[in-house]
Amino acid sequence: DAMVIQNPRYQVTQFGKPVTLSCSQTLNHNVMYWYQQKSSQAPKLLFHYYDKDFNNEADTPDNFQSRRPNTSFCFLDIRSPGLGDAAMYLCATSAPGAYQETQYFGPGTRLLVL
Amino acid sequence: SQQGEEDPQALSIQEGENATMNCSYKTSINNLQWYRQNSGRGLVHLILIRSNEREKHSGRLRVTLDTSKKSSSLLITASRAADTASYFCATDDQAGTALIFGKGTTLSVSS
Repeated sequence: DAMVIQNPRYQVTQFGKPVTLSCSQTLNHNVMYWYQQKSSQAPKLLFHYYDKDFNNEADTPDNFQSRRPNTSFCFLDIRSPGLGDAAMYLCATSAPGAYQETQYFGPGTRLLVL
Repeated sequence: SQQGEEDPQALSIQEGENATMNCSYKTSINNLQWYRQNSGRGLVHLILIRSNEREKHSGRLRVTLDTSKKSSSLLITASRAADTASYFCATDDQAGTALIFGKGTTLSVSS
């Protein structure tokens, strides 16, 4: 089945230790998104890619970076995680030219910062 | 901000009852979507309603959209315990490049 896969499902890191979260998709969608969702809050868009074009949200901290080496994979790098970065990180995709259309989400990676 | 705001924040009902959640937004939209999120999981798309539509059905789901009031409602009929989840509405942002999610309604259905 076509899907969005996120690894790992749970990630524990130490304060200040870089961490990378991964997302892959078999939907062949051009657009990929990374969201941060803190407890009992709405998902907040960090950035998205349209093909290789990177679009950063204005309020996304510089501590968060992303890479998309090919259509299928996208990575979220947190260079120096702080306690406030503990959250669920959600990857999503959407079809070409369909920003406002249906988004397909992965199961999420829950990040814990010690 | 074009964030949708859901109401109520939390809703508890018995199995078999209907659940109604409301969403309000601030500016004009192309469409409005509803998503479900089970605890600790990703979001699942439920239904999309376009700005020129007033009502849409999908199984036990019924969505209405009133663009004059900038509001939408999601009705789940004959609720089941498996419907226990958080429900989010989402609208397109002003740049038309992303979705803005509301804070969600947490639905608890007890058997």
